[in-house]
Amino acid sequence: EAGVVQSPRYKIIEKKQPVAFWCNPISGHNTLYWYLQNLGQGPELLIRYENEEAVDDSQLPKDRFSAERLKGVDSTLKIQPAELGDSAVYLCASRRDSSRYLLSNQPQHFGDGTRLSIL
Amino acid sequence: RKEVEQDPGPFNVPEGATVAFNCTYSNSASQSFFWYRQDCRKEPKLLMSVYSSGNEDGRFTAQLNRASQYISLLIRDSKLSDSATYLCVVNRNYGNFNKFYFGSGTKLNVKP
Repeated sequence: EAGVVQSPRYKIIEKKQPVAFWCNPISGHNTLYWYLQNLGQGPELLIRYENEEAVDDSQLPKDRFSAERLKGVDSTLKIQPAELGDSAVYLCASRRDSSRYLLSNQPQHFGDGTRLSIL
Repeated sequence: RKEVEQDPGPFNVPEGATVAFNCTYSNSASQSFFWYRQDCRKEPKLLMSVYSSGNEDGRFTAQLNRASQYISLLIRDSKLSDSATYLCVVNRNYGNFNKFYFGSGTKLNVKP
């Protein structure tokens, strides 16, 4: 089974520039997550999708961050404009989650992440 | 108060040692629990799920104590390759969706 694929692996941009990250989840996983991880911290949820619907975006800074998941498969996360404090690792994860699995022990599977550096 | 709390460490242990990490969670409605391993500059990878009766996978043993709201991970006969950060993850059900909460991780250094 192919894992979660993210690109790019690394991105270096100047502040105020736009940047976009792409994620392809594991086939058949209807739930997709975008996380931000700072050094020495655990991942922090930015947005969660159930198929193509964003069902939890309460932690997404909507003034500069946006995301989409067209057709309920691939997803993109965009920052415009980027600020110095956005430097972090952006992780995508997916999970098989439906009403039948709500109480199951289904874990999340993570992609390699995109390491963003803002100059 | 954080949803999930872990001792950040680092735990510095010699090869062959036994080491244990604890993790506490704040909400008794939490339903499923996991340990993830994260190597430096890599993504988190599932180490093991944690079941109510406790479970073992080779040198790794996970325990859950719902009454005290903590989970533990025991590593026996530590190897150099066990050096990593171990993330405690708690999943809570909100009716029609689940939400995962991550600890900040416990760093383990296994030394020769």
